Amino acid sequence: DTGVSQNPRHKITKRGQNVTFRCDPISEHNRLYWYRQTLGQGPEFLTYFQNEAQLEKSRLLSDRFSAERPKGSFSTLEIQRTEQGDSAMYLCASSLVSGTSIYEQYFGPGTRLTVT
Amino acid sequence: DAKTTQPPSMDCAEGRAANLPCNHSTISGNEYVYWYRQIHSQGPQYIIHGLKNNETNEMASLIITEDRKSSTLILPHATLRDTAVYYCIARNTGTASKLTFGTGTRLQVTL
Repeated sequence: DTGVSQNPRHKITKRGQNVTFRCDPISEHNRLYWYRQTLGQGPEFLTYFQNEAQLEKSRLLSDRFSAERPKGSFSTLEIQRTEQGDSAMYLCASSLVSGTSIYEQYFGPGTRLTVT
Repeated sequence: DAKTTQPPSMDCAEGRAANLPCNHSTISGNEYVYWYRQIHSQGPQYIIHGLKNNETNEMASLIITEDRKSSTLILPHATLRDTAVYYCIARNTGTASKLTFGTGTRLQVTL
């Protein structure tokens, strides 16, 4: 169990540029989540996948945001035309769903995005 | 998920027990109480969860009141490495998937 990994750990970009983050979940986990965290606040849910299917999206996920999990393994989160308000820590988590039980989520270290 | 209320900050001396309270007066019968913590600049870390019985693992103990309207996370012998923000979350694991974080309690462990 190597844990959840995220890349890059830090990203600085200019307003208007596109950025893409990657998350590699724990290998046997079938559920993957994205959260966003701004300074002084708890993480806020963005979206989640069950295998390759995106099952829920938060209202926070504007049309500039897109997430994929093409083969049910790693996931990418892309932000187009970044704005300064997108500056935040982007967290990925994974968990195992078995039957009707959803087990605890394990988080990665996050990608800190700074939009200048 | 039911709303939870936690004090914004607490201090604890190293080696002493840290008792972190959480109120969840509107919790429903099928909602579990989950605790996560977040050490500075890291992702949240799962600690423990419970439904109505007290729970203990290698990290902490969780005490849930009989009416389930509140709970206490106990770190029996706090160390400096336990300094973190602790989040209490009420969650229906059968239907809800996402975790709804509040602002948590910032625990500062001091020498």
